[in-house]
Amino acid sequence: GDSVTQMEGPVTLSEEAFLTINCTYTATGYPSLFWYVQYPGEGLQLLLKATKADDKGSNKGFEATYRKETTSFHLEKGSVQVSDSAVYFCARTSGNTPLVFGKGTRLSVIA
Amino acid sequence: SQTIHQWPATLVQPVGSPLSLECTVEGTSNPNLYWYRQAAGRGLQLLFYSVGIGQISSEVPQNLSASRPQDRQFILSSKKLLLSDSGFYLCASRTGDQPQHFGDGTRLSIL
Repeated sequence: GDSVTQMEGPVTLSEEAFLTINCTYTATGYPSLFWYVQYPGEGLQLLLKATKADDKGSNKGFEATYRKETTSFHLEKGSVQVSDSAVYFCARTSGNTPLVFGKGTRLSVIA
Repeated sequence: SQTIHQWPATLVQPVGSPLSLECTVEGTSNPNLYWYRQAAGRGLQLLFYSVGIGQISSEVPQNLSASRPQDRQFILSSKKLLLSDSGFYLCASRTGDQPQHFGDGTRLSIL
């Protein structure tokens, strides 16, 4: 069935470091892809999305490109801040199906 | 844009007691509605989803049930809570091709 695999955390970075969180998805259908962020004690917020191959989603300095050839949607940010500390979830959906989430990657940024 | 209200924000219940968590949505009509559970330090598990009033799909067999008495109201219930029901419960809504949006969640602790 449909699934999403993301890199295991936790990831600990110093402020201003470069961030990559890997995400791959099963190649069934033509899914839309998403990154959600969950700050401590809160619900999930949509961070960015891409709906077709080669689309690039971006928001708050984060970017991810829908790569059909590698079935990937890696999240990147050039310079992380302490306020980026959170859990990041990669997700996919096809048509009207519920979102399928990865297990989440916890990011801690230290000053 | 749509807003999702969940209450209560925090709940402490004894084992064997009943449960009712409520979720209401504003700013949209005929949404698909979802209940997820997030156990401590783990990913998101889809529990139920609904495409319309009175229509409930259950993703996993368990001690919980869901109901949708009105278009924008989704209720999660249990007759007798188990210790394993502890977790962070998230309601989500999706309309048409828009991404899923999440409420702020209910943290449920079972004693």
